[in-house]
Amino acid sequence: EVQLVESGGGLVQPGGTLRLSCAASGFKFNNYWMHWARQAPGKGLEWVANIKEDGSEKNYVDSVKGRFIISRDNAKNSLYLQMNNLRAEDTAVYYCVSSPRVAVPECWGQGTLVTVSS
Amino acid sequence: EIVLTQSPGTLSLSPGERATLSCRASQSVSSSYLAWYRQKPGQAPRLLIYDTRNRATGIPDRFSGSASGTDFTLTISRLEPEDFAVYYCQKDGRTFGQGTKLEIK
Repeated sequence: EVQLVESGGGLVQPGGTLRLSCAASGFKFNNYWMHWARQAPGKGLEWVANIKEDGSEKNYVDSVKGRFIISRDNAKNSLYLQMNNLRAEDTAVYYCVSSPRVAVPECWGQGTLVTVSS
Repeated sequence: EIVLTQSPGTLSLSPGERATLSCRASQSVSSSYLAWYRQKPGQAPRLLIYDTRNRATGIPDRFSGSASGTDFTLTISRLEPEDFAVYYCQKDGRTFGQGTKLEIK
């Protein structure tokens, strides 16, 4: 059974940093693209970033370019999102998503809440 | 950048009825990489349809997807109580539509 468990969310001040982690199990992690998506309170879904199976390609939504970094450790079956210079508009539940092909985000974790506020 | 516009914003129907949800792309699309998700309150989204018309694992055949040009459609043939939720379309694993809320009439 596929399991994706996010951690690392919490309350942070504007301008602060946070690192999210996603522990994956139940599938061949190094054969999958991985994504981060987010959902602000009461709002719709927004794709944030993705990373290729071997980490050689990374893509970001424009609003986080230069501030967020996606990475993975295939030896640890783990996905990460380093979030720097956080803004109030980054407040959201962040989801880790596995994807057998880049355009098929298939399984979603339960999410971790990030709140950016002073 | 492609923008996806979903309609209607809210759809009010009764169990057993047929639901038709629309997702329109702002420009001509060269691929069929369109997915549909259902999100129940307090839960993560669940993939229903990928590549425009393929049902994801475990999704019943009352769900179907189709396309005509830049218009994509999710059809639910007979609504079950668990189908009343918010539905999102997504293109190329990136851009999401704003969602359609399917509520009980």
